[in-house]
Amino acid sequence: DQQVKQNSPSLSVQEGRISILNCDYTNSMFDYFLWYKKYPAEGPTFLISISSIKDKNEDGRFTVFLNKSAKHLSLHIVPSQPGDSAVYFCAASEWAGTASKLTFGTGTRLQVTL
Amino acid sequence: ETGVTQSPTHLIKTRGQQVTLRCSSQSGHNTVSWYQQALGQGPQFIFQYYREEENGRGNFPPRFSGLQFPNYSSELNVNALELDDSALYLCASSKKTGGDAEAFFGQGTRLTVV
Repeated sequence: DQQVKQNSPSLSVQEGRISILNCDYTNSMFDYFLWYKKYPAEGPTFLISISSIKDKNEDGRFTVFLNKSAKHLSLHIVPSQPGDSAVYFCAASEWAGTASKLTFGTGTRLQVTL
Repeated sequence: ETGVTQSPTHLIKTRGQQVTLRCSSQSGHNTVSWYQQALGQGPQFIFQYYREEENGRGNFPPRFSGLQFPNYSSELNVNALELDDSALYLCASSKKTGGDAEAFFGQGTRLTVV
């Protein structure tokens, strides 16, 4: 049972345009949602997060939108740059005992072309 | 400020053997989480350690065990290795538990069981 889903395995966008990465979830107990970026042979790098009580968070070129009623979030990157080419993971946090546990989606590979 | 480092980077083991993976957390971080990432999947939560105690666990059998030391570095031990244990093992450290605690990941250990 996959609680966090990224239905698009890959996305190709031209440099300068907007990249929109989508994520759906099923567990209403998630309290934070996060986006991580991963380059080959490196661990995931934190990008941006949003609390479940908010609907938007912005950090520079990155904006995350949360629609709780639809259990959907999206990451917008504007403008997209070639260095943004990587695998992007959506993750959701919940309490497992006294631990905070992240549940990840399967990732979307973004390619930004010139 | 040093980042999260994991050792070794690659490892090949035989089915039935035991393995120990190591993680040095980022300076000032007292929480360490371990994740298993199978090929084509997102990372899956194994367990979390906070101040040397396991404080939460995912759906992994008891042959997956861990330790956290007074300097907050950590070990992941896997006994009776199975072929399905072949994966990238990621360690993440943070200053606290909670979904708003930014987790910093190491580069991972690639374990192959033959």
